[in-house]
Order: sequence, then structure tokens, then C-alpha cells
Amino acid sequence: DQQVKQNSPSLSVQEGRISILNCDYTNSMFDYFLWYKKYPAEGPTFLISISSIKDKNEDGRFTVFLNKSAKHLSLHIVPSQPGDSAVYFCAASAITDSWGKLQFGAGTQVVVTP
Amino acid sequence: ETGVTQSPTHLIKTRGQQVTLRCSSQSGHNTVSWYQQALGQGPQFIFQYYREEENGRGNFPPRFSGLQFPNYSSELNVNALELDDSALYLCASSSQVGTGELFFGEGSRLTVL
Repeated sequence: DQQVKQNSPSLSVQEGRISILNCDYTNSMFDYFLWYKKYPAEGPTFLISISSIKDKNEDGRFTVFLNKSAKHLSLHIVPSQPGDSAVYFCAASAITDSWGKLQFGAGTQVVVTP
Repeated sequence: ETGVTQSPTHLIKTRGQQVTLRCSSQSGHNTVSWYQQALGQGPQFIFQYYREEENGRGNFPPRFSGLQFPNYSSELNVNALELDDSALYLCASSSQVGTGELFFGEGSRLTVL
């Protein structure tokens, strides 16, 4: 049962433009959401997170938006850079779960072209 | 500050065999989680250890077991390997305080033939 879904397996964007990655979830108990970035042959690295009490969180070029009523979150990268080419995973945790238990989506492969 | 390290990076086993994967947590982290990432999928939670005890488990059979040692290093053991166990196994460490962020190692790529 996939509780976190990333329906776009890939995204191609030009350098300097905005990248928008989407994520949907089904479990209403999720209260914390994270985005991870993964390069080939490396482990995922934390990018940005958002608590369910907020609807937006910014960190430099990265902004995450949360729409609880729609059970939807998105990651905006502005402007996109070639180094942003990676697989991006959306993840969620529930307050009822043990610390460190994250539910991940299948990932979106982002390719930033010059 | 050293990051999370895993060994071995790659290994090949045959069906029915047993495997042990190892992980050294990031300095100062007392919690370790293990994830399985099959090809084309996101990581799936196997279990977590805190203070040497299992502290949460995902939907994996008992032949997946683990240990956490006093120095917070950890092992993942898989018995009676099946073909579907072929995957990237990721170890992640964290602290019980902070943002809940996990710090992942590079993973151990297991191939079961």
C-alpha cells in the first residue's frame, strides 16, 4: 500500500527555469514531510522539510508547499541549476510512528539541461 | 565529523544463503534505521534501533534481523535469501532531537542469484 506517491517519474527542465516536483499522500496521520535528493552511487541527502502546522517552508532556492486538505505537497526549485540533476524523494512520517520511520515515494528523476 | 559508512558496497549471494551488512553511524547519533530500496522504487523502512533495542519495524519478515552495538554501529542480517531481496540496503542514523532528518550512508548493493 503506497501511502506516498510521486506520479511523475521524470522531469526535464532548462537551467534557470523553475522545477516543480509533486507528491501526494493518503495517510492523514502524516504530520512531517521531507524531501531528499539522491545522486547515483550516493545515499539520499536531506533537502528540506515541513511540519503539518505550516503550509510553506523556504530554504534558499528550495521551497516546499503543503496543502493538507488536498494531501499534496510540492517542491519548487528556483532557479534550477545543472547540479540539481538527481532523483528527488518525497517522504513522510506520522506522529504515531517511531522516530526515523519514513514512508518514501518512488522518486522523480530531474534533469536540468543547459 | 564522520558521516554514515556502510560495508560492503557490493556483494553477490545465492538464494538460501545468509548475509550481514554493516553500518557505522554518524558521530553523536544514537538511532539507526535500515531501509531497502528496490530498483525504481523509494526506500522502504525495515526497522530501527535505539539504544541497542529494536524500536519499530516495517513490513518485513523475521528473517530480516538487526543489531545495534554500544558504539551505535549496526548490522542488518538477512537469512534464507530470496531473489526479491536483491536491492540497495541503506542505513540511516539520526539523533532523537532535532528536525527528524535522517543521514544516509551510500548503501550496500545486494544481488541474489
